[in-house]
Amino acid sequence: EAGVAQSPRYKIIEKRQSVAFWCNPISGHATLYWYQQILGQGPKLLIQFQNNGVVDDSQLPKDRFSAERLKGVDSTLKIQPAKLEDSAVYLCASSLDRDRDSSGANVLTFGAGSRLTVL
Amino acid sequence: QKEVEQDPGPLSVPEGAIVSLNCTYSNSAFQYFMWYRQYSRKGPELLMYTYSSGNKEDGRFTAQVDKSSKYISLFIRDSQPSDSATYLCAMSRWNNNDMRFGAGTRLTVKP
Repeated sequence: EAGVAQSPRYKIIEKRQSVAFWCNPISGHATLYWYQQILGQGPKLLIQFQNNGVVDDSQLPKDRFSAERLKGVDSTLKIQPAKLEDSAVYLCASSLDRDRDSSGANVLTFGAGSRLTVL
Repeated sequence: QKEVEQDPGPLSVPEGAIVSLNCTYSNSAFQYFMWYRQYSRKGPELLMYTYSSGNKEDGRFTAQVDKSSKYISLFIRDSQPSDSATYLCAMSRWNNNDMRFGAGTRLTVKP
């Protein structure tokens, strides 16, 4: 099965500019996640979608970050305006179901990530 | 106090060594415990998961969970250079999909 696709892989922008990242999850995966991974830290959840509805966006800085998942498939994450501290890898992940897979664990499949550098 | 604490290392071992990676956590509501492996410039990939307390073995890898101590471990036997990566622990509650990740431990296995 094809994995989680993300683009672009790398992006360098000036502070106060805007940027958008795209994610295509594994076919049939209802749940989609955006994580932020700052260098030297573990991934931090930004937003979680179940189909095209938002399940959790409590850690999304809504004054500058936005995300959408139209038609319950692809998703875009936008940052506008970017700040220096937004430099990170933005990871998209998907899972089969909001609850659990048949084994009981919430198994996420991650994409390779989009690395953002804000100068 | 962070919910999940993990020593970032780096950890360097010779090929064939037994590696022990650990995490501690503070939230007793966590039920699922996972280990992800992340190669450089790649996304994390799930290695193993354990529900509640106990051990789980998969080839050279063994995951242990001690809920009474809020401590989880991953052991790698006969470590190989291909095991060189960052290992992330992660955990989640039963009805909550928001996993909390540790900072990751960077492991290098030298030939």
